[in-house]
Amino acid sequence: KNEVEQSPQNLTAQEGEFITINCSYSVGISALHWLQQHPGGGIVSLFMLSSGKKKHGRLIATINIQEKHSSLHITASHPRDSAVYICAVSRGSQGNLIFGKGTKLSVKP
Amino acid sequence: DVKVTQSSRYLVKRTGEKVFLECVQDMDHENMFWYRQDPGLGLRLIYFSYDVKMKEKGDIPEGYSVSREKKERFSLILESASTNQTSMYLCASSLRQILDTQYFGPGTRLTVL
Repeated sequence: KNEVEQSPQNLTAQEGEFITINCSYSVGISALHWLQQHPGGGIVSLFMLSSGKKKHGRLIATINIQEKHSSLHITASHPRDSAVYICAVSRGSQGNLIFGKGTKLSVKP
Repeated sequence: DVKVTQSSRYLVKRTGEKVFLECVQDMDHENMFWYRQDPGLGLRLIYFSYDVKMKEKGDIPEGYSVSREKKERFSLILESASTNQTSMYLCASSLRQILDTQYFGPGTRLTVL
């Protein structure tokens, strides 16, 4: 079993829809990261959180430490949100990450 | 803005060749990482370094070595490239430990024939 599981693997939405991507982990962590990867490969860090909730524009990330679960929400989705969203957790003292396999999001106009 | 650059976007090599992938960051970050990304497997850590001349094995170090002679530069070396090392290679850096954002380079797509 993978230490970091994401769902769904693939997601297709219509422009304007509210989107939720889920991440569950089975190990102790120091922080959880949400990353975005556009076609072409570049990865951008969206959020890093160890408790509660963070918001940046139309993106919201939440984490429940007791349940070992995090969600990434996108409000009023747009075709430019189409990307692979990756959940990763930090363990250990050097900050190396363990990654989920990613959720491929496609937002149709 | 933090900038992490990688020496090549695309690289084609032959089996048995020695391959060098270079990564440079311009923000005086202490930690640097090399990952490979494969379909269905996600990103996996090959090696990381938390200081000059220091290195630690990640989850899949076999067939790879690294070099960090200067703080800003972290090199990944494939001593004798094999076809199963065909992959996307991503470098990342972070300022310090644990609670720091990692900044990624654009990736190098390596094909070994």
